[in-house]
Amino acid sequence: AQSVTQPDIHITVSEGASLELRCNYSYGATPYLFWYVQSPGQGLQLLLKYFSGDTLVQGIKGFEAEFKRSQSSFNLRKPSVHWSDAAEYFCAVGGMETSYDKVIFGPGTSLSVIP
Amino acid sequence: GAVVSQHPSWVICKSGTSVKIECRSLDFQATTMFWYRQFPKQSLMLMATSNEGSKATYEQGVEKDKFLINHASLTLSTLTVTSAHPEDSSFYICSVQGLAGGYEQFFGPGTRLTVL
Repeated sequence: AQSVTQPDIHITVSEGASLELRCNYSYGATPYLFWYVQSPGQGLQLLLKYFSGDTLVQGIKGFEAEFKRSQSSFNLRKPSVHWSDAAEYFCAVGGMETSYDKVIFGPGTSLSVIP
Repeated sequence: GAVVSQHPSWVICKSGTSVKIECRSLDFQATTMFWYRQFPKQSLMLMATSNEGSKATYEQGVEKDKFLINHASLTLSTLTVTSAHPEDSSFYICSVQGLAGGYEQFFGPGTRLTVL
């Protein structure tokens, strides 16, 4: 069955430090992969997506993610975190194995930023 | 990307009453919309897939008589929580499938439901 795991429930980093949020998926076919961010009181916003091609994907707000098929991972990175990046981050996977174009969301990682 | 609105943004109701939540696609016609439920500090749980002009497809464990979904037009889907109880209190989020398909979804801001 398709699934998404985000091993880190909560991460705290200092402002200006680098960030990596982990995402692993279980999916038989070629997956479509997404990272969404949810700020308090806000809707989910798409940070970036991977469908095919270059495995290093650039997104908004200075985020990037790398698709590694051999490791079934799609980790999110940012070289220098800003206080405004504090939010909940969700990894999601979709593709041919899900009906009606559904996506499956991971449990989320809560990011806190220390000034 | 698509702009999606939800109304109301929050609602408080008494136990036993019904509540309707609207999801609108403001800038394009959406044949497919999704409804999610999110508990505090948890991920999104897909409740149902709403297809314009046809019956919604509910996920396993979601009571279709409890959560009525109507997708009567290409820009509007509604979720009605019938005979609401305190355990129905949650954050309800809708999303719209992008024009290009490809599983990309655009999300509304969510509706906070509190049942007293």
